[in-house]
Amino acid sequence: DAGVIQSPRHEVTEMGQEVTLRCKPISGHDYLFWYRQTMMRGLELLIYFNNNVPIDDSGMPEDRFSAKMPNASFSTLKIQPSEPRDSAVYFCASSPDRVSDEQFFGPGTRLTVL
Amino acid sequence: AQSVAQPEDQVNVAEGNPLTVKCTYSVSGNPYLFWYVQYPNRGLQFLLKYITGDNLVKGSYGFEAEFNKSQTSFHLKKPSALVSDSALYFCAVRDKAGRRALTFGSGTRLQVQP
Repeated sequence: DAGVIQSPRHEVTEMGQEVTLRCKPISGHDYLFWYRQTMMRGLELLIYFNNNVPIDDSGMPEDRFSAKMPNASFSTLKIQPSEPRDSAVYFCASSPDRVSDEQFFGPGTRLTVL
Repeated sequence: AQSVAQPEDQVNVAEGNPLTVKCTYSVSGNPYLFWYVQYPNRGLQFLLKYITGDNLVKGSYGFEAEFNKSQTSFHLKKPSALVSDSALYFCAVRDKAGRRALTFGSGTRLQVQP
């Protein structure tokens, strides 16, 4: 398996623009997680899905952020409009259904909002 | 609420010497505990986990961790450090009965000097 795939790897945009980050989880994994990593706040969970259904979105910063999982093999995280404080590395991770299993992380998308 | 503390921002050790990276946790029930490593510009890679059973857990690349319930600790150890072990290490916890998302510590940068 290719592992968790994220695109793009790097994104530079201007304040006010819409940004869409994409994730393909490992085939057969039932859970998908979106995390954000910054120097100031470390690794934060934004949202996670189980069988394509959002379970906990309490970490989503505000209404500018939205996430979807239209099918088992694809998820998006959208920021509209983007702001400089959204600059961070965004990670997607997936996990099988067994409660003891670890999460497998993608390489991340480095977002810079100017 | 669950939390993880990594009290050291950085640990410095000479190559060949043993290393310890500290982690303490807080959960309401029984914990699942994990260690991940992050190399520059990469996603997190799973090292090892404690689910149940033996308090000493062995993982990838010669790392091991000791679960201590009375001290609520899960320190990462390696008998002989390599320069290539230099990276950012994250401890994470999840309550067995709680939500599936992990709570991460702030990370500890390990620097192994030749």
